[in-house]
Amino acid sequence: GESVGLHLPTLSVQEGDNSIINCAYSNSASDYFIWYKQESGKGPQFIIDIRSNMDKRQGQRVTVLLNKTVKHLSLQIAATQPGDSAVYFCAENMNSGGGADGLTFGKGTHLIIQP
Amino acid sequence: AAGVIQSPRHLIKEKRETATLKCYPIPRHDTVYWYQQGPGQDPQFLISFYEKMQSDKGSIPDRFSAQQFSDYHSELNMSSLELGDSALYFCASSLGMNTEAFFGQGTRLTVV
Repeated sequence: GESVGLHLPTLSVQEGDNSIINCAYSNSASDYFIWYKQESGKGPQFIIDIRSNMDKRQGQRVTVLLNKTVKHLSLQIAATQPGDSAVYFCAENMNSGGGADGLTFGKGTHLIIQP
Repeated sequence: AAGVIQSPRHLIKEKRETATLKCYPIPRHDTVYWYQQGPGQDPQFLISFYEKMQSDKGSIPDRFSAQQFSDYHSELNMSSLELGDSALYFCASSLGMNTEAFFGQGTRLTVV
């Protein structure tokens, strides 16, 4: 399943399928991007980050793609599991060093994993 | 492993009252960040501190103030509370400003 984060706040996928969550960011000067996962009643949890000098980065079951030309970021989750159910936020920052200083969060996408 | 501790977890205040939220960073972390998340909204950056000095300032109202103490814990002071201040307030911490930040569980503030 695939979503455009700003226009489709809920994405429902079958357990075991791959999911793609999309994010359109606003600031062309942003140098650093993070995907966070937020479960109900909890704080955002870091998933993966990418700097503007890269267009792809892979983690465990997750891949982030960055297209600076169209200011688009996506998070791919492979073989989704029930524990992946959460709200996913992208965040951008002009500070390429990292951290959480002055992050601008995008609108979240609620990922629902169907059994 | 120790995480970011925020207290209280829940707080109910009346309009025009004051509130103080506390954040205890992960041991050895010297940087703290405060975010506000309204119902169904994305987190909004308020303010950050590095080594007890204010590092960056976001959309923090003038009615709010914050500081970081010598033991690196931080407090967010909120005065003249308004209904619109009802939100989840998250604190995050990191070791230095350019490393992964870890968020606490948040304080849910309800203003009635």
